[in-house]
Amino acid sequence: SYELTQPPSVSVSPGQTARITCSGDELPKKYVFWYQLKSGQAPILVISDDSKRPSGIPERFSGSSSGAVATLTIAGAQVEDEADYYCYSTDTSNNPLFGGGTKLTVL
Amino acid sequence: QVLLMQSGTEMRKPGASVEVSCKASGYTFTSYYLHWVRRAPGQGLEWMGAVNPGNGITTYAQRFQGRITVTSDTSTSTVYMDLSSLKSEDTAVYYCARDTGRDSTSFDYWGHGTLVAVSS
Repeated sequence: SYELTQPPSVSVSPGQTARITCSGDELPKKYVFWYQLKSGQAPILVISDDSKRPSGIPERFSGSSSGAVATLTIAGAQVEDEADYYCYSTDTSNNPLFGGGTKLTVL
Repeated sequence: QVLLMQSGTEMRKPGASVEVSCKASGYTFTSYYLHWVRRAPGQGLEWMGAVNPGNGITTYAQRFQGRITVTSDTSTSTVYMDLSSLKSEDTAVYYCARDTGRDSTSFDYWGHGTLVAVSS
C-alpha cells in the first residue's frame, strides 16, 4: 500500500537549520501539508500546499517539494520548535494519509 | 477564531464503547467537514473518518468500518465519534480536525485531543 516516509528523528542545535523530508511516489501529483504536534496541545498546520505558510506561522518555517520528496525546513530552529512533525497528503484514491512522523530535537 | 473543544479523558474496558465529542465555534458549522484522527502511543497519526455537518453524510476509513460512527448535531455545533468493541490497541489520543474545504481533504484547525485509555 502507498506510504509517506519520514525519518524518525532529526536533531539540531538552536540556530541551526532543520530539514525534515517526506517521500512518496504520488507526491509529484499531490500537495503536501505539514503539521506540528506537541504533547497536550492541538496540532498546528505549519505549511500547506507544499510551500504556503499560514498566517501566524513564523517565517523560519518553509516548505518545498521536488519530485517524490517534500521538505519542511526550519531555518534557525528554536527550542520551542521541538515537536513531532507529520507530513500529510492523499493517496491515489484521495484517501487521507499521514507520514510516520519525525521527532525534532533542538538542543 | 475557530475553536474545536473536545471532551475529556475516557477510560474503558475491552469490548466497551466510547463517545468523544468536539464542539465547534468561530465559523459556520455546516460549511466544513469535520474529521477524526488518532495517535496511538508510539504510532503516527491515523485518519479515522469524517462527517459533513451540512447533510450528515459520513465517510470512514476501511479499517474502522463497522466499529465507528460519526454524527453531528447542528443545534449545538457538535460532532461525535463513537467507537465500539474497544481493544487495548485503541488506546490513543483522538483529535477532531476541520477540513479546509478544498477539493482534496486536508485539515486546518484541530482540537486539543481526547485521551481514550482501554484497559482491563
